[in-house]
Amino acid sequence: DTGVSQDPRHKITKRGQNVTFRCDPISEHNRLYWYRQTLGQGPEFLTYFQNEAQLEKSRLLSDRFSAERPKGSFSTLEIQRTEQGDSAMYLCASSSPPGRLAGGPPKGEQFFGPGTRLTVL
Amino acid sequence: AQTVTQSQPEMSVQEAETVTLSCTYDTSENNYYLFWYKQPPSRQMILVIRQEAYKQQNATENRFSVNFQKAAKSFSLKISDSQLGDTAMYFCAFALDSNYQLIWGAGTKLIIKP
Repeated sequence: DTGVSQDPRHKITKRGQNVTFRCDPISEHNRLYWYRQTLGQGPEFLTYFQNEAQLEKSRLLSDRFSAERPKGSFSTLEIQRTEQGDSAMYLCASSSPPGRLAGGPPKGEQFFGPGTRLTVL
Repeated sequence: AQTVTQSQPEMSVQEAETVTLSCTYDTSENNYYLFWYKQPPSRQMILVIRQEAYKQQNATENRFSVNFQKAAKSFSLKISDSQLGDTAMYFCAFALDSNYQLIWGAGTKLIIKP
């Protein structure tokens, strides 16, 4: 299977604990995105990487959140001192850089992983 | 700032009927993409269809087609001959050509009844 994978699929933790999630993108994709999705809502952008560089972070990403992509392959998202409001589905997506080859279809479609559902008690 | 609005929280139709999901967006930019994504229950997000803003022709993918009205900033999804497997949350999303970050609507829950 060459799709985007995320681990773990489910995480239950107590308030105040730290958690770390992992995302493995499609191997030839150099862009990686993190989103948060709460129940009944659309995803919200958190951050994205091009290779190992973190190019943009949302204001939603408080200082308790940190994301890394050390070798430009897999990425981790860590939440420190979790709060009940952090309970959500955390989605990862990967893509090739947006753009277009001459005469070709547009690139940059984001492929999503299954998500990690975090429950903070 | 860009926003995406889906005004239908939930819709249901009978199998084989046609259904249209609405989406409006707001932007002052000229170069962007619009998308419809499907999220089946407990399964991952899948791209259904994409529209490039500079293209006047509406995108189609088999039973799925869009009605893109750029001046009205409207982007509706039509599903023809609906099937039970179309039951899912459908999200409309927007991305600028410059950074491709997706901005999402709140979603429409679509139920196809047998």
